[in-house]
Amino acid sequence: GAVVSQHPSRVICKSGTSVKIECRSLDFQATTMFWYRQFPKKSLMLMATSNEGSKATYEQGVEKDKFLINHASLTLSTLTVTSAHPEDSSFYICSARGSDTNTQYFGPGTRLTVL
Amino acid sequence: AQSVAQPEDQVNVAEGNPLTVKCTYSVSGNPYLFWYVQYPNRGLQFLLKYITGDNLVKGSYGFEAEFNKSQTSFHLKKPSALVSDSALYFCAVRAPHRGTGKLIFGQGTTLQVKP
Repeated sequence: GAVVSQHPSRVICKSGTSVKIECRSLDFQATTMFWYRQFPKKSLMLMATSNEGSKATYEQGVEKDKFLINHASLTLSTLTVTSAHPEDSSFYICSARGSDTNTQYFGPGTRLTVL
Repeated sequence: AQSVAQPEDQVNVAEGNPLTVKCTYSVSGNPYLFWYVQYPNRGLQFLLKYITGDNLVKGSYGFEAEFNKSQTSFHLKKPSALVSDSALYFCAVRAPHRGTGKLIFGQGTTLQVKP
């Protein structure tokens, strides 16, 4: 149980384009989903927290117009990197938590490379 | 403010020997504490957590951790290390009953188990 998937696992795009990453909880309802960014050999940086049906809460320093988050259902959240630039290249990881648990379960991550 | 410290960037241990990965925390109130493991280019896998109750928590793959309130520590241990345990380990803390329940991660410790 408690499986979280991400799609795509890897994406390469040109500078200026937008990229959408999906995060799905496969066997539980995720009332809260989290989006993280991880740089090589570094810890995770929380970007935003989203609750189903409401606007995401962004961490300080994260541009909400650049990183659009939608949590339209209890099993799906999406992160859209708009007008991507090479500095947005990173490993993006989502996690999900149900209403009846204290544990976040993580997706396998998405490697974004912006050329 | 909440914080987590993993004082060792890397821990080296021989296969079959016991291993310890250290973690200390700072949080007001009673903490929720977690350990996660990350293999290269993958998301985080949940190992174990402490919420309340017995200070010794047993988790996946033979790992355990001991909550020590007086020392504000939550060290991860395993009696006999395997080469396949080599990975990046993260300790995380959550302040209960606050906000969205986001996790604060330590900087990570690379565990290298040599045959």
